[in-house]
Amino acid sequence: AQSVTQLGSHVSVSEGALVLLRCNYSSSVPPYLFWYVQYPNQGLQLLLKYTTGATLVKGINGFEAEFKKSETSFHLTKPSAHMSDAAEYFCAVIRWNSGNTPLVFGKGTRLSVIA
Amino acid sequence: DSGVTQTPKHLITATGQRVTLRCSPRSGDLSVYWYQQSLDQGLQFLIQYYNGEERAKGNILERFSAQQFPDLHSELNLSSLELGDSALYFCASSVASGGADEQFFGPGTRLTVL
Repeated sequence: AQSVTQLGSHVSVSEGALVLLRCNYSSSVPPYLFWYVQYPNQGLQLLLKYTTGATLVKGINGFEAEFKKSETSFHLTKPSAHMSDAAEYFCAVIRWNSGNTPLVFGKGTRLSVIA
Repeated sequence: DSGVTQTPKHLITATGQRVTLRCSPRSGDLSVYWYQQSLDQGLQFLIQYYNGEERAKGNILERFSAQQFPDLHSELNLSSLELGDSALYFCASSVASGGADEQFFGPGTRLTVL
């Protein structure tokens, strides 16, 4: 069964510092991987996704993630944190099941940005 | 704004009651997904409908049911409510049935069971 593990339920960085949010997946088939962001009192918004092709994926708001099959990882990075990046971030994998594809989410990582 | 609407925004009710949550997908999207978000369980997939038919079922309790109507809006019915059903319920929609289709999430309905 497909699943994702997000390391660290809470990450705190200074404004301007590197953001690194970790996600490891398990999948018996090539995975489709996603990062979603949830701002306070809002729904989830897609940041980026990996399906096939280039393993370095660029998303919105300066975020990117690299699919590393050998490490079963899909970590999210941003070179310089901004106050507006403070939010909850979810890694997700598609669960293949007879052609139906609901998302399986990690537990989430809350990112705090300190001025 | 994702284009997915959910009503109501907040719902407060008592144990044993029944409620209906409503979702209107983005224009043109045929799939609707329901998710439950709680502090202890995280984000859990409940059920998916595609063009009026049930497509996938997740951790949905027997007390919960859903349907998608011909105009593609969807309703999630929760009955015999328990305190543990208090959560944020999200609806999402996508163009097709799955694969790499982006799911667009609504703002959620916060259910409080007292």
